[in-house]
Amino acid sequence: GAVVSQHPSRVICKSGTSVKIECRSLDFQATTMFWYRQFPKQSLMLMATSNEGSKATYEQGVEKDKFLINHASLTLSTLTVTSAHPEDSSFYICSASVVSPNEQFFGPGTRLTVL
Amino acid sequence: GQQLNQSPQSMFIQEGEDVSMNCTSSSIFNTWLWYKQEPGEGPVLLIALYKAGELTSNGRLTAQFGITRKDSFLNISASIPSDVGIYFCAGYRGAQKLVFGQGTRLTINP
Repeated sequence: GAVVSQHPSRVICKSGTSVKIECRSLDFQATTMFWYRQFPKQSLMLMATSNEGSKATYEQGVEKDKFLINHASLTLSTLTVTSAHPEDSSFYICSASVVSPNEQFFGPGTRLTVL
Repeated sequence: GQQLNQSPQSMFIQEGEDVSMNCTSSSIFNTWLWYKQEPGEGPVLLIALYKAGELTSNGRLTAQFGITRKDSFLNISASIPSDVGIYFCAGYRGAQKLVFGQGTRLTINP
């Protein structure tokens, strides 16, 4: 149980285009989903917290207009990187959480490469 | 803000050796977590610690939550090739927000 999937696993796009990444909790309903970014050889950095039916809360320094988050249901959250640039190339990881016990389950990540 | 300082950054060991890594913080955390991440994958939870002083084992892994709630260590005994990966400590900042340490990259020579 507690499986989180991400789609796509890898994406290559041209600079200036938008890319959508999906995060799904497959066998449970998540109260909250989180989006992280991980640059090579670095740790995971929280980008935003997403609750179903409400606006996402972004961490300091993360542009909400560039990283659009939609949390349509208790099992699906999407991250759209708008007008992507090479510096947005990174490994994007989502997690889904349940309140009790307080635990996050991580997806397998999406490798974004912007040319 | 709350930061987790993890050390060492990397380890190169022989198969069969024991491994020890630790995390410290200037702030108190109520929960300490240890994750393992393999290349191209998301992190996988290894051990969760909820009480100060708690010592928990998961197979060859043992982790302890420091009495001050500002530190934790992870030990791996009798390392095997599949232990290779990056190990992260993490703690909850607020109700659900996780903050991660910098990671310890473990390489094992057979």
